Amino acid sequence: KQEVTQIPAALSVPEGENLVLNCSFTDSAIYNLQWFRQDPGKGLTSLLLIQSSQREQTSGRLNASLDKSSGRSTLYIAASQPGDSATYLCAVNGEETSGSRLTFGEGTQLTVNP
Amino acid sequence: DAGVIQSPRHEVTEMGQEVTLRCKPISGHDYLFWYRQTMMRGLELLIYFNNNVPIDDSGMPEDRFSAKMPNASFSTLKIQPSEPRDSAVYFCASSPDRASLGTEAFFGQGTRLTVV
Repeated sequence: KQEVTQIPAALSVPEGENLVLNCSFTDSAIYNLQWFRQDPGKGLTSLLLIQSSQREQTSGRLNASLDKSSGRSTLYIAASQPGDSATYLCAVNGEETSGSRLTFGEGTQLTVNP
Repeated sequence: DAGVIQSPRHEVTEMGQEVTLRCKPISGHDYLFWYRQTMMRGLELLIYFNNNVPIDDSGMPEDRFSAKMPNASFSTLKIQPSEPRDSAVYFCASSPDRASLGTEAFFGQGTRLTVV
């Protein structure tokens, strides 16, 4: 059974700092990995999708990497801003089923202090 | 497109009552998912549909839960009878195609259910 772990569970940084969020998964047989952002009381916003054949994806100040063989992904946030404060969730789409299902990590709660 | 639309946004009901959550997926998406989020268990997949057909309902916690997708633009998740432990945020998501083709999932804003 696929298990996804995110470290750290919470992170507090001053504005302007670069930071890295970590995600690991136990079964490397995945189709893709998706990073989401969740604001308090809100839904999930997709940030980046990395296919299993890709090594990284970039969107603005965000860069996500994937090392499928070692079961790891990182989300790099450059020049963090208070507006980046949210919970960041990593989810993998595994090959264990014929269709599509996301297995989520517990999330990293990020606070960027002005 | 307005994205995945869920209703209601908030629902407070008494134990034993029937609760129906609704979802309208993004037009043209063939896959629809129902997830539940709690503090204790995080986000869990309950059930998903492909072309209106339920594919995997192994995450449905018990027989009190049922889901339907009568057409490509509408799905419901019903809890009957509801219990306090069902209190959670229920998310609906849709995606254009299966994961093996590299598509991503889009989530609705969720329904926060409180059973008292």
